[in-house]
Amino acid sequence: NAGVMQNPRHLVRRRGQEARLRCSPMKGHSHVYWYRQLPEEGLKFMVYLQKENIIDESGMPKERFSAEFPKEGPSILRIQQVVRGDSAAYFCASSSIAGGFNEQFFGPGTRLTVL
Amino acid sequence: GQQVMQIPQYQHVQEGEDFTTYCNSSTTLSNIQWYKQRPGGHPVFLIQLVKSGEVKKQKRLTFQFGEAKKNSSLHITATQTTDVGTYFCAAVRDTGRRALTFGSGTRLQVQP
Repeated sequence: NAGVMQNPRHLVRRRGQEARLRCSPMKGHSHVYWYRQLPEEGLKFMVYLQKENIIDESGMPKERFSAEFPKEGPSILRIQQVVRGDSAAYFCASSSIAGGFNEQFFGPGTRLTVL
Repeated sequence: GQQVMQIPQYQHVQEGEDFTTYCNSSTTLSNIQWYKQRPGGHPVFLIQLVKSGEVKKQKRLTFQFGEAKKNSSLHITATQTTDVGTYFCAAVRDTGRRALTFGSGTRLQVQP
């Protein structure tokens, strides 16, 4: 049973470019969460999606950041016009609908470096 | 918004010593989860606590949920070098929404 998959694992972008991060949840999971982790810090919630719906985007910056989870294909976290402060590890997690049990399974993360 | 405070930020112990990390919230939590992240790795779920006063054990790890459901602790007995990593507590922000608020983590270093 494949776990949560993220790609690319490492991404280097120059300031002003776009970054696209992909996440394929575990099989059977319909809930996807994105978190950002700065070096030596904890994980900050960004956005929670179900298929074709954004449920909670309260942790995501209003500008330059967007997320989607289409009916077919992986969830995408898109960062436009990246700046150096966007350099971080971005983790995706998924969970199943399991009556109040909210264990989240994390992917290996995408390490974004903005030059 | 709901915040989860975690202490200490960092702990360095000799192999064989015990270790404890604490998690505190100003609001009552519906549940609390604990994750471990190895250096360079991703968070891995350890356990979830739901009931007031609940205590769960996993080999050398003991997890507690406070009676008021506002605090939790993770205790490791006789640490080993394999315990190295950062331990995070996390609370569900809103039962209906399922997004997690993570504590800042406690980084454990074990000296052989």
